Amino acid sequence: GQQVMQIPQYQHVQEGEDFTTYCNSSTTLSNIQWYKQRPGGHPVFLIQLVKSGEVKKQKRLTFQFGEAKKNSSLHITATQTTDVGTYFCAGLSGYALNFGKGTSLLVTP
Amino acid sequence: DAGVTQSPTHLIKTRGQHVTLRCSPISGHKSVSWYQQVLGQGPQFIFQYYEKEERGRGNFPDRFSARQFPNYSSELNVNALLLGDSALYLCASSLTRNQPQHFGDGTRLSIL
Repeated sequence: GQQVMQIPQYQHVQEGEDFTTYCNSSTTLSNIQWYKQRPGGHPVFLIQLVKSGEVKKQKRLTFQFGEAKKNSSLHITATQTTDVGTYFCAGLSGYALNFGKGTSLLVTP
Repeated sequence: DAGVTQSPTHLIKTRGQHVTLRCSPISGHKSVSWYQQVLGQGPQFIFQYYEKEERGRGNFPDRFSARQFPNYSSELNVNALLLGDSALYLCASSLTRNQPQHFGDGTRLSIL
């Protein structure tokens, strides 16, 4: 079945540094979704990418969907302490949304 | 509008028991999905229900079952509990299938 892999597993940055997490799927994706989960919280939807090569921005966050629709990335510019949490990508396979293991971001002031 | 609500928030059971977890979706959402999240891992898909029918099932044993009611609320049942069933169980709703998921706060299940 479909497997979604994310790297790195952890990232520790100083506030103001940039951060990138990468997501790769074993199969072509119809779309990819990104979620953020704060410690002790539940996943919160950030964005959905559908088109090959699509790039979407949300303030300091930039999301990309690969040309082959098998990989994606999330880049955060000038991290803030409010960016702390685990970022998950999730690929749709039939009716199942398959999540990666996530990248946990720690930001120190 | 209220978000996705789940009950109970915490539950402690012993091996061999069964458990029922409940979920009320956002008003107007017809799709409900259940996920299991073990500490340090991403949510793992268990079931999706849409319009009261099971539309998808993840790689979980038959001890796991679910249903969706006419008001679109849902129950997840787990029989013959094992230690490995200890996890956060998340319910998510969406307008239709394949739309972004809105998650509840989850039920934390501990098996002793």
